[in-house]
Amino acid sequence: ETGVTQTPRHLVMGMTNKKSLKCEQHLGHNAMYWYKQSAKKPLELMFVYNFKEQTENNSVPSRFSPECPNSSHLFLHLHTLQPEDSALYLCASSQVGTGGYYGYTFGSGTRLTVV
Amino acid sequence: AQSVTQLGSHVSVSEGALVLLRCNYSSSVPPYLFWYVQYPNQGLQLLLKYTSAATLVKGINGFEAEFKKSETSFHLTKPSAHMSDAAEYFCAVSDGGATNKLIFGTGTLLAVQP
Repeated sequence: ETGVTQTPRHLVMGMTNKKSLKCEQHLGHNAMYWYKQSAKKPLELMFVYNFKEQTENNSVPSRFSPECPNSSHLFLHLHTLQPEDSALYLCASSQVGTGGYYGYTFGSGTRLTVV
Repeated sequence: AQSVTQLGSHVSVSEGALVLLRCNYSSSVPPYLFWYVQYPNQGLQLLLKYTSAATLVKGINGFEAEFKKSETSFHLTKPSAHMSDAAEYFCAVSDGGATNKLIFGTGTLLAVQP
């Protein structure tokens, strides 16, 4: 496996369900990110982790709970979601300390539908 | 604070025509600039980047972009559009700081007409 891998690719869940999105990077990066991409809206940065520590939470509702057990893995735990949470969730990774020279590497995303 | 502005949320061109997608940036320091492409239900893929080595940057799929400091622009071009170029394109700027934060534009959806 190379790059950034996200699973599952598609997820349909009811509003009372609990599910998790998984992201794994095989690039040796030390920063990971969760983005939400809704139709006709700009990319929304949700969470940032540097060296496993959360450094940014952009006022994300508590029904989204991130977890970063190590620099290679990132999870997004979901519970009691709302239909407006339906979106494409993107994970990305980068190498902190390079001044942004390399940009981000993105996964293919998880298409989430809340019914 | 750094920012990018993409002019035109939708651009339509004919197959074989020139593609021009506009991006203007704001930065208090020499920036790193990026163009990403996103196909439907996919993640963002790096097309090209400017890191001060050369002002004209060539990327994948025949795309290129020119960094113009005087105009604070980094427009993306391709001489001849192909149907497979239909996608959304995002310009981004790095703040160059310790957090390595990328600031994305709002995206431009490119349609290619036969």
